[in-house]
Amino acid sequence: SYELTQPPSVSVSPGQTATITCSGDKLGDKYTSWYYQKSGQSPVVVIFQDSERPSGIPERFSGSNSGNTATLTISGTQALDEGEYYCQAWDGDTDVVFGGGTKLTV
Amino acid sequence: EVQLVQSGAEVRNPGESLRISCKASGYTFTNYWIAWVRQLPGKGLECVGIIYPLDSDTRYSQSFLGQVSISVDKSANTAYLQWTNLKASDSAMYYCARFRQTEIHPFENWGQGTLVTVSS
Repeated sequence: SYELTQPPSVSVSPGQTATITCSGDKLGDKYTSWYYQKSGQSPVVVIFQDSERPSGIPERFSGSNSGNTATLTISGTQALDEGEYYCQAWDGDTDVVFGGGTKLTV
Repeated sequence: EVQLVQSGAEVRNPGESLRISCKASGYTFTNYWIAWVRQLPGKGLECVGIIYPLDSDTRYSQSFLGQVSISVDKSANTAYLQWTNLKASDSAMYYCARFRQTEIHPFENWGQGTLVTVSS
């Protein structure tokens, strides 16, 4: 089965750039989405189709995907960005795969 | 406004059955897939399965095949996740989410979650 691997945790100082990676075999050939989940709340999509931002998501969130790695970048990270981030891709048209999640500490 | 409103928290004994629901509003129910996602306590997200309300095309993730069933009632704009033989290991938060197309679109709206507790 297809697997996505994320670092368990990333720490960044306020105002700095946070980078969260997601690795999977030939992930660059698939669309990757990223979700943010604050403790006790439902997930929210922050990036879809590798680099698209839904309306209402701040411009400091950006994404890229190439080769075996997708990357979520948060520029000028703020304290309110703390939480868990999950990458997600499809394995065929049936299997939705999530990464294990990365806890971002600001 | 798009809303997915899930049924409330449930407590059951092992071996019992349960059906939880996800009521959609604010959009054409039959135009979007619904996914069910499990989150074990303190753990990550896992997709249970997906269903297309227009024709009830249902696809289960391998880990959940035979363990649950997913259905919809188009007249009620509601999707369901059902168990017939609950286990303690089914205790988790379950979310529903909608998305437009497999392989391309994200889970763009999520329900508030239903906490299922299975304990004797």
